[in-house]
Amino acid sequence: AQTVTQSQPEMSVQEAETVTLSCTYDTSESDYYLFWYKQPPSRQMILVIRQEAYKQQNATENRFSVNFQKAAKSFSLKISDSQLGDAAMYFCAYRSVNTGANSKLTFGKGITLSVRP
Amino acid sequence: NAGVTQTPKFRVLKTGQSMTLLCAQDMNHEYMYWYRQDPGMGLRLIHYSVGEGTTAKGEVPDGYNVSRLKKQNFLLGLESAAPSQTSVYFCASSETGGPYNEQFFGPGTRLTVL
Repeated sequence: AQTVTQSQPEMSVQEAETVTLSCTYDTSESDYYLFWYKQPPSRQMILVIRQEAYKQQNATENRFSVNFQKAAKSFSLKISDSQLGDAAMYFCAYRSVNTGANSKLTFGKGITLSVRP
Repeated sequence: NAGVTQTPKFRVLKTGQSMTLLCAQDMNHEYMYWYRQDPGMGLRLIHYSVGEGTTAKGEVPDGYNVSRLKKQNFLLGLESAAPSQTSVYFCASSETGGPYNEQFFGPGTRLTVL
């Protein structure tokens, strides 16, 4: 079974600075997808960014980018020019390429990011 | 589009009571999921459905039942609530089961069982 580990429960960043959130995972599969979800105080889960394992290039979405290290099974999220609205809990998630039960997302425990004005 | 909606947003139950959580999506998605979120843990899959009339167990199905009589609705039932079922429940849907398809989440239901 796949596992996702987020070892840092909390992080803090100064507004306009850059912060990196760490995530590692364990799998025996060679092809899969990885995601970062944001959960603000409203509780609504929002997809931030996703990465396909077979793609070498790191995904980017505006101020959000990932550092995907397949061999190390590491998938970190970098937030540049942090904004107050970035304050939230961030979840790293894994998804198999298979369907059915394996289409579920396996989540890490999450990391709470606070942004200091 | 309203996306994924959940009813109710909050609920308090006594041990042994029953209730049904309703999830509705207006995106014509085939797949629907129920997750629970507990403090210090990520979301865990309770049950899921790959289409109208189908349901299947996830990783933590005990104590819950589900039904998908209509494509747009996915119901989660608790027949005899227990304090261990105190949690925040999220419904999600995706167009298909393909991994690239984004799962869209509802706003969650906070359930407390006394």
